[in-house]
Amino acid sequence: DAGVIQSPRHEVTEMGQEVTLRCKPISGHNSLFWYRQTMMRGLELLIYFNNNVPIDDSGMPEDRFSAKMPNASFSTLKIQPSEPRDSAVYFCASTLSGFDYGYTFGSGTRLTVV
Amino acid sequence: AQTVTQSQPEMSVQEAETVTLSCTYDTSENNYYLFWYKQPPSRQMILVIRQEAYKQQNATENRFSVNFQKAAKSFSLKISDSQLGDTAMYFCAFMKANAGNNRKLIWGLGTSLAVNP
Repeated sequence: DAGVIQSPRHEVTEMGQEVTLRCKPISGHNSLFWYRQTMMRGLELLIYFNNNVPIDDSGMPEDRFSAKMPNASFSTLKIQPSEPRDSAVYFCASTLSGFDYGYTFGSGTRLTVV
Repeated sequence: AQTVTQSQPEMSVQEAETVTLSCTYDTSENNYYLFWYKQPPSRQMILVIRQEAYKQQNATENRFSVNFQKAAKSFSLKISDSQLGDTAMYFCAFMKANAGNNRKLIWGLGTSLAVNP
């Protein structure tokens, strides 16, 4: 298995632009998590899905952020409009419910909003 | 609510020596899982070791071992024979067991470990 695949690896965009981050979880995993990591706040859980259904989105900062999981093999995190304070590394992770072996993380997307 | 505390923001160790990273947690749960993740400069998050709370035996993975003290709610990570490649940020994390669809990990803020040649 190729692991959790995130794209792009780096993204630089101008303030006000729409940004879409993509994630392909490990095949067979049914829980998917989006995290944001910054020096100031560490790892923050933004949202997680179980069987493609959002279970907890309380970590989503504001209405500018949205996430979807249209099927078991794909998820997106969208920021519209983007702001400089959104600059961070965004991680996607997946796991299999019922098997508590922790998460498998993607390589992350480093987002820079200028 | 569960919390995870890593009291050492930064640590350093000489190559080939042993280092212990501390982690304490707070929970009223009796059954749960604890994890150590490593994040090297490449930023990839890598699972290092996992401990099930109902198992008294401490988990071990090659040079990595834990000292799990359930009553004290302590979960330290020992790295033996430190290697330069162990230089990374180390995160301790907690997950409730038998939580249905709730697979949230509760994270500590991390310990930055530098292995010096």
